[in-house]
Amino acid sequence: DAGVIQSPRHEVTEMGQEVTLRCKPISGHDYLFWYRQTMMRGLELLIYFNNNVPIDDSGMPEDRFSAKMPNASFSTLKIQPSEPRDSAVYFCASSSSARNTQYFGPGTRLTVL
Amino acid sequence: AQTVTQSQPEMSVQEAETVTLSCTYDTSESNYYLFWYKQPPSRQMILVIRQEAYKQQNATENRFSVNFQKAAKSFSLKISDSQLGDTAMYFCAFMKHTTSNGYALNFGKGTSLLVTP
Repeated sequence: DAGVIQSPRHEVTEMGQEVTLRCKPISGHDYLFWYRQTMMRGLELLIYFNNNVPIDDSGMPEDRFSAKMPNASFSTLKIQPSEPRDSAVYFCASSSSARNTQYFGPGTRLTVL
Repeated sequence: AQTVTQSQPEMSVQEAETVTLSCTYDTSESNYYLFWYKQPPSRQMILVIRQEAYKQQNATENRFSVNFQKAAKSFSLKISDSQLGDTAMYFCAFMKHTTSNGYALNFGKGTSLLVTP
């Protein structure tokens, strides 16, 4: 079975540019989570969706960050404009309400110069 | 808010030996889930083991087992017969149990485990 798929795996961009990260959850999972990992703050939740609807976006750092889930098999996390402090590894995870266990994608390493 | 504490930033163990990683958490919830995730140098987050708080029996997965002490709010991971491939960062995580069954994971800071030949 395919796991959670994220793209791109690496992204290097310049400050001020728009960045879009993509995620395809495991088929049949109804929850999707976006996490960010940094050395300073560790792993922290940004936002999560249930049945494509955003449930909790309190972790989104500021208005420069936005996330969408237009259908059950696709989600995006967009940063516009990007800043050097956004450099981190961004993980997408999905879970089913039947099992309560989150499975993570390989992550996207974002570097903003 | 729930907090998860991993008091051992780094640990080392020799191949074939046993090692225990510590985790404590603070919560007022009675129903919750606890997890250990492994993050090798590839940075992939891999589920190691899962424990439901209402279950008395400690979870086991092959060489991995936990010692869950609910009253003490402790959730340690024991790795038996350590292998070189176990070298990774290990994260303890807490999740509330809700009727909707969906909630974010609260992670500890992690323990870096090195398995040496």
